[in-house]
This record gives sequence, C-alpha cells and structure tokens, in this order.
Amino acid sequence: DAGVIQSPRHEVTEMGQEVTLRCKPISGHDYLFWYRQTMMRGLELLIYFNNNVPIDDSGMPEDRFSAKMPNASFSTLKIQPSEPRDSAVYFCASRPTGTGPSNQPQHFGDGTRLSIL
Amino acid sequence: SQQGEEDPQALSIQEGENATMNCSYKTSINNLQWYRQNSGRGLVHLILIRSNEREKHSGRLRVTLDTSKKSSSLLITASRAADTASYFCATDGGGNKLTFGTGTQLKVEL
Repeated sequence: DAGVIQSPRHEVTEMGQEVTLRCKPISGHDYLFWYRQTMMRGLELLIYFNNNVPIDDSGMPEDRFSAKMPNASFSTLKIQPSEPRDSAVYFCASRPTGTGPSNQPQHFGDGTRLSIL
Repeated sequence: SQQGEEDPQALSIQEGENATMNCSYKTSINNLQWYRQNSGRGLVHLILIRSNEREKHSGRLRVTLDTSKKSSSLLITASRAADTASYFCATDGGGNKLTFGTGTQLKVEL
C-alpha cells in the first residue's frame, strides 16, 4: 500500500518567492490535513479538507498561505510570498471516515522541509 | 494551540529497560492516540485508546488513560535501540481534528 506522498522532500528558496508543496493522500481516504512542525510551536494544524472541501482553515497563519484540493488524490499548500519565518517542516496526513464516533488514526507523509533564506 | 503536554521532554535509557511517557490534556475527549516520529520522517500511529477504556496493549506497548485526571501514559517494555524516536500524544475531541502534544524524545542506548 502506498502511503501519503509529499513532494518535494526539501525546498530551499529565497524570501519573496512562491512555494508550492504537494500531497497525494492514501486512496480512499476522504480527510486530508496539512500541518506545520517547528521546534518553537510543535505540530500545528493549518487546514483540513473533507471530500475535497476545506472545512477548517483557522490554523492558516496569514493570507500568504493558501491550500487547494482539486480532486481526491491531490492537494497543494502554497505560500506567496514566502518569508524566513515560514521555514518549517510541513506535513500532509490523511484518514478515512470512521464508522463510529471516534476518528480514525491519521497517516502522515514524510514531510517537506522548507527553508526560506 | 497544543492541548497535550508531555512529560518528560526527553528520556534516555539503556536497551532492555522500560520507558514511560506521560501526557496531560485539558478538555474532554473521544479518544487519545499515540504516535511515533523517527528523525526526518512523518508521524506513525501506534495505538488508540477510547475514552471508555482504561488500558490497552499492543505488543510491547501499554497505554493507560485516566479521564478523571485527564492524563495518559505510554509504556514501552524491553526497549530497543530502534525505539529511539519522538513520541506524541494526540487528543480527539470529536471535531474531526487531533490536537498534538509537545512530544517526548526517547533515546535508547546500547
């Protein structure tokens, strides 16, 4: 079974440039989550989708951040313009809908390590 | 914001010893999950314990949950060098989202 696939694994770019991070969730999973991990703030949820529709984007830090999910097998997280404080590891995770009140465990990709110079 | 606070922040033990990590949280939950993160990799789900359960086992892992104290513990028995990783608790409050703790860095030395 292919897991969650993220690309690129590493991205180094200069301040002001546009950055696009990509994610392919596990087939059949109808929830997709974008997280950011830093030493200072830990793992933060940025946005999540259900059936390709954004449900909660309250964690998106600024208007410079945007996320889309044009179909069930692809999502992007875009930062434009990028700033040095955006440097972090960005994770995508997916999970299926559960059959009971409890949410199913999430499956994480290996992340994109983003460095903004 | 992070709901889970984990204790200790870092733990170093010898191979073969047991490792215990604790997690405290603030609001009511449907379930609590534990994840492992190896260096440079994504989080991997280890075990889920529901709010009406008090203890759960999976291989060398034992998880307890005390909802009255809003706390959970993860015990890894007979630790191995391969268990070296960061361990996170995550609470499911029923709103489709997980809230992750601050993590415990475990180092198992040969």
